[in-house]
Amino acid sequence: QSVLTQPPSVSGAPGQRVTISCTGSSSNIGAGYDVHWYQQLPGTAPKLLIYGNSNRPSGVPDRFSGSKSGTSASLAITGLQAEDEADYYCQSYDSSLSAHVVFGGGTKLTVL
Amino acid sequence: EVQLLESGGGLVQPGGSLRLSCAASGFTFSSYAMSWVRQAPGKGLEWVSAISGSGGSTYYADSVKGRFTISRDNSKNTLYLQMNSLRAEDTAVYYCAKTAGAYCSSTSCYFDYWGQGTLVTVSS
Repeated sequence: QSVLTQPPSVSGAPGQRVTISCTGSSSNIGAGYDVHWYQQLPGTAPKLLIYGNSNRPSGVPDRFSGSKSGTSASLAITGLQAEDEADYYCQSYDSSLSAHVVFGGGTKLTVL
Repeated sequence: EVQLLESGGGLVQPGGSLRLSCAASGFTFSSYAMSWVRQAPGKGLEWVSAISGSGGSTYYADSVKGRFTISRDNSKNTLYLQMNSLRAEDTAVYYCAKTAGAYCSSTSCYFDYWGQGTLVTVSS
């Protein structure tokens, strides 16, 4: 059981918009800690997609955006492309555990 | 260009030990905290451990505390993970990851660069 909850899968057709949710609690997202998102293409290492809730590292297309509200965060992908098919993970900091860092269980995005 | 290259993975029996290494280049290694993150086959990401840029502060997930030790040699730009008393549930790809700050703090403990990973298999 992951500390942060994500839907196991989402799907969308090319050109569409999809969102992936990440739900936490008062000890992590709800405590005001930032949420970060990673993209993991098949057979590769994760890549930072969004940091600090809504910031994109250099080179990440503006089709990807992040937001946070209360105890949840969301990743939105607009203009869906075939190469967006991947696993997406949210991550935050948790004050209740010695683990410090917590991940969501991951969401598999399928481009139809 | 930031590069992280893990090594040291392999097959080990339950109860055995293994030492992973991560050679870093392309950034001022001693200025950044580093972490190990693992991914069991077909599963999600799990943070394992982190160490501050100076090496003076270390952090562990409960699942590995007392069995794993993280360390770094800033003169060699290398991160290590000593894994003892290995269990079947430790089987995973282990990624070395650079954090955004000098400490694994609430604001900077996210991972802006990742290595390609090294597979650790614990089985008899």
